[in-house]
Amino acid sequence: AQKVTQAQTEISVVEKEDVTLDCVYETRDTTYYLFWYKQPPSGELVFLIRRNSFDEQNEISGRYSWNFQKSTSSFNFTITASQVVDSAVYFCALTRDYGQNFVFGPGTRLSVLP
Amino acid sequence: GAVVSQHPSWVICKSGTSVKIECRSLDFQATTMFWYRQFPKQSLMLMATSNEGSKATYEQGVEKDKFLINHASLTLSTLTVTSAHPEDSSFYICSASPDRFKLFFGSGTQLSVL
Repeated sequence: AQKVTQAQTEISVVEKEDVTLDCVYETRDTTYYLFWYKQPPSGELVFLIRRNSFDEQNEISGRYSWNFQKSTSSFNFTITASQVVDSAVYFCALTRDYGQNFVFGPGTRLSVLP
Repeated sequence: GAVVSQHPSWVICKSGTSVKIECRSLDFQATTMFWYRQFPKQSLMLMATSNEGSKATYEQGVEKDKFLINHASLTLSTLTVTSAHPEDSSFYICSASPDRFKLFFGSGTQLSVL
């Protein structure tokens, strides 16, 4: 069975602070895909990143960076110099294939205070 | 790019009425679409897998007679909440993949049953 755990339910930081959102996953599949989505108050899911199980390279995109470590089954997400607009719920998700359903973590609610 | 359109964005209805939510793939065909439900401050949970031309597959605990899914064409899946009750109030979101390398979510439907 697949499972995604996001231990941090809520995080509050002050603007310009760095913040890391943790994601730990469980799967028996050798091939799988990991995602991070942002869900602002409006509700839609905003795609942030996809990483497949073969690619352990970390990635940086602007203020966002991701650390994927298969050895610890973790796919953590760091926001550098956070901004108020980063306030949202962030979901880590896992799927064995695009044609399959996603398993979402419980989400981490991030509040960035001015 | 490929888009999944979900309509309506929000709906308020009286208890006992039925509500239909549409999920359309705008420029690709999707033999499979997924329906998720998200209760307030909770994660997204898969409700059912919608299969074009055949019966939907429901997750354990989801009443198939209450949540009717129809996937009559390769670009449209509908979720009908029959005889809605206040406990059905939730955020419903669909997803579809045009191929094995992309996945798109609809913008979601907020259902409020009075």
